[in-house]
Amino acid sequence: EAQVTQNPRYLITVTGKKLTVTCSQNMNHEYMSWYRQDPGLGLRQIYYSMNVEVTDKGDVPEGYKVSRKEKRNFPLILESPSPNQTSLYFCASSLFGDSPLHFGNGTRLTVT
Amino acid sequence: AQTVTQSQPEMSVQEAETVTLSCTYDTSESDYYLFWYKQPPSRQMILVIRQEAYKQQNATENRFSVNFQKAAKSFSLKISDSQLGDAAMYFCAYRANFGNEKLTFGTGTRLTIIP
Repeated sequence: EAQVTQNPRYLITVTGKKLTVTCSQNMNHEYMSWYRQDPGLGLRQIYYSMNVEVTDKGDVPEGYKVSRKEKRNFPLILESPSPNQTSLYFCASSLFGDSPLHFGNGTRLTVT
Repeated sequence: AQTVTQSQPEMSVQEAETVTLSCTYDTSESDYYLFWYKQPPSRQMILVIRQEAYKQQNATENRFSVNFQKAAKSFSLKISDSQLGDAAMYFCAYRANFGNEKLTFGTGTRLTIIP
């Protein structure tokens, strides 16, 4: 089944403790990206990747890192999480051009 | 920068009735895509319908249709014969047809279906 898989689904952590949210897709998509969803703000792009080893900032990149060492994986790294990073996070992927974005099921992160 | 505005934070409709969700956007581009996504309580982001800006014909998917007014930069979603399973948050989104395939989202409309 074609899908984008994110883990974990829920994560509670404390300020400053490094964490990684994994994202993997099995559709051979070149393009992958991360979004965060906050009430009243909709979804906003954090980082994106056009292909392996090619990443760039989205609209809200502060406090996040990403890497794209393999085509299928695009982890989101929070080196020193803070409470303002409490949010719902989505990974997404697509082929370029005329193709829709496929979303993972989301990761609910709480930083205390 | 592109912006997407959904001015109705909440809407409700009687089951089997029709409801229209509003969306306006701002862009200087002529080639782009517009989308409506549905987010049920499960948190999944489900693509409901897509419209290419160069197509004048309004997109339709079963009970879902759009009213795309390019000059007015308006993209409303009509849901006919509303069903209980339509209850969800609905997001309007814009994507330019070049470069970063970023979706710019509106703030969402929560739709309640009244039995």
